[in-house]
Amino acid sequence: AQRVTQPEKLLSVFKGAPVELKCNYSYSGSPELFWYVQYSRQRLQLLLRHISRESIKGFTADLNKGETSFHLKKPFAQEEDSAMYYCALMIYNQGGKLIFGQGTELSVKP
Amino acid sequence: DVKVTQSSRYLVKRTGEKVFLECVQDMDHENMFWYRQDPGLGLRLIYFSYDVKMKEKGDIPEGYSVSREKKERFSLILESASTNQTSMYLCASNAPWGDTEAFFGQGTRLTVV
Repeated sequence: AQRVTQPEKLLSVFKGAPVELKCNYSYSGSPELFWYVQYSRQRLQLLLRHISRESIKGFTADLNKGETSFHLKKPFAQEEDSAMYYCALMIYNQGGKLIFGQGTELSVKP
Repeated sequence: DVKVTQSSRYLVKRTGEKVFLECVQDMDHENMFWYRQDPGLGLRLIYFSYDVKMKEKGDIPEGYSVSREKKERFSLILESASTNQTSMYLCASNAPWGDTEAFFGQGTRLTVV
């Protein structure tokens, strides 16, 4: 069965520290993976997707098919990065079904 | 430039009531989704639709049904609301190919008493 797992419910770091939010997926096909973010009192929105291989707000994520992982990283966390982060998997052979992990709350302390 | 709109921000309903949550998108997306968002459980897919009148069950469809009579509108129906359906409900839409970014509604906080 397809599944997205985010093992950490809460990640708390100090400003300027490196951040890594973990995401593992279970899917036998070719995955399309995303990170979505929800800031306080805002809508869920796309942060980045693996196919574009871009850096957004200093965040990057690399797809590791061998480890079935798509961890989100940032070398120096900022207070404005505090938010809920969700990893998501799109399943093309099921009409574009989009499933999410449990989410990780990132708290960046001053 | 709101793209996905949910009809209500807050709803309070009584146990046993039939509840309708409405979602409209203006991006001509084929796919539309309903999720419930609970702390520690993340976003769990209830139903999604990949075309008008087409629907697929998600991970937690029990107690819910959906309707998609027009491309832009996707309704979630709670046949007989129960207290364990108290939650935040999120609607989303995306295209199944090309730019597959999903856009979300503002959410409906449903309380069943």
